[in-house]
Amino acid sequence: GENVEQHPSTLSVQEGDSAVIKCTYSDSASNYFPWYKQELGKGPQLIIDIRSNVGEKKDQRIAVTLNKTAKHFSLHITETQPEDSAVYFCAASYGTGNQFYFGTGTSLTVIP
Amino acid sequence: DTAVSQTPKYLVTQMGNDKSIKCEQNLGHDTMYWYKQDSKKFLKIMFSYNNKELIINETVPNRFSPKSPDKAHLNLHINSLELGDSAVYFCASSQVAGVTDTQYFGPGTRLTVL
Repeated sequence: GENVEQHPSTLSVQEGDSAVIKCTYSDSASNYFPWYKQELGKGPQLIIDIRSNVGEKKDQRIAVTLNKTAKHFSLHITETQPEDSAVYFCAASYGTGNQFYFGTGTSLTVIP
Repeated sequence: DTAVSQTPKYLVTQMGNDKSIKCEQNLGHDTMYWYKQDSKKFLKIMFSYNNKELIINETVPNRFSPKSPDKAHLNLHINSLELGDSAVYFCASSQVAGVTDTQYFGPGTRLTVL
């Protein structure tokens, strides 16, 4: 099966700085890569996703890049704000079952 | 309107008991899932149902039995609860089976087994 690794496990940045979280995957068949944000006591919420036919996608302060050759994808958050503080998960998916393989999560703290 | 809802939000029970967690989605999605999130925040798929039919069944003890009365509901029944079952359980749904698609998660049920 697929194996998704995520780094770093914790990340602290000053408000206004950028944050980058990286994930690698093992199965070249994976074709869908969502990123989820989980706030304390809540369920994961999709913040951005990318499919394997695209190399980069941006939505306001959030961007995701995908390198299929190297099998890695990254989340970039610019101009971070305290409300960006949460746990972020990457995932990879392929196949008819739409099974998501999640990374181990990154706890992001934005220091005011 | 809540897209994916779960009840109860918190569940505290004794070892050996049987309990159920309910999930409902009002998104009109065909596929529903159950995930377990352990104390280290690791998210792992347990089951997936498409139109009331089981399509993913990861290696979980057979004390866990999902039940889907219709495509908008996927309940999780757990028999003979053990300490190691303590975790947060999330229900999720996605639109179409057979393609990779966004999953929408419920708020979670925190299960504590004493």
